Amino acid sequence: AQTVTQSQPEMSVQEAETVTLSCTYDTSESDYYLFWYKQPPSRQMILVIRQEAYKQQNATENRFSVNFQKAAKSFSLKISDSQLGDAAMYFCASLLQGGSEKLVFGKGTKLTVNP
Amino acid sequence: DTGVSQDPRHKITKRGQNVTFRCDPISEHNRLYWYRQTLGQGPEFLTYFQNEAQLEKSRLLSDRFSAERPKGSFSTLEIQRTEQGDSAMYLCASSSRGTVYGYTFGSGTRLTVV
Repeated sequence: AQTVTQSQPEMSVQEAETVTLSCTYDTSESDYYLFWYKQPPSRQMILVIRQEAYKQQNATENRFSVNFQKAAKSFSLKISDSQLGDAAMYFCASLLQGGSEKLVFGKGTKLTVNP
Repeated sequence: DTGVSQDPRHKITKRGQNVTFRCDPISEHNRLYWYRQTLGQGPEFLTYFQNEAQLEKSRLLSDRFSAERPKGSFSTLEIQRTEQGDSAMYLCASSSRGTVYGYTFGSGTRLTVV
């Protein structure tokens, strides 16, 4: 069974600073993918970044990057130059390739960005 | 591409009533998912369709829950004899083959059972 753990219920950051959100996961499979999703107060889940487990290179998307440590089963999200619009719930999720390819989510981290 | 649409956005119902939610996925997406999100939790998988076939159901989906996707287009999720514990956000998502690129989620239906 897959599990995803986010140990930080809330985090805060000053505008323009950098913040890192933590995530650990557990799976016995080899073909899997990891995601960070953002859920603003408007509720729609938005994909922030994804990482293929077979790739060693950490994914980056503009101000968002991940630190993927496969052996440690760790997948943290770094947000650089934080903006007020980054304030949201952030969910880490895993997906096993093949079959239903359902997402397994962590409980989320609420990010507050202070002006 | 108008995204994934869910209707209604909010639903308040009395305990014991039946409710039905609708999801219209992105037209070319053959995979459709339902998730439930309770307060302070991440979304939890309920069920999955590939085209019109319901291929997987979570243990969370009790006998009071039923989902359909006729003709592989829109989907409905019905809850019979609602209970207070059914109060949650119900999220729909769709994807094409290649889910590994991520789903597209709808804005959800917030159900409150009073």
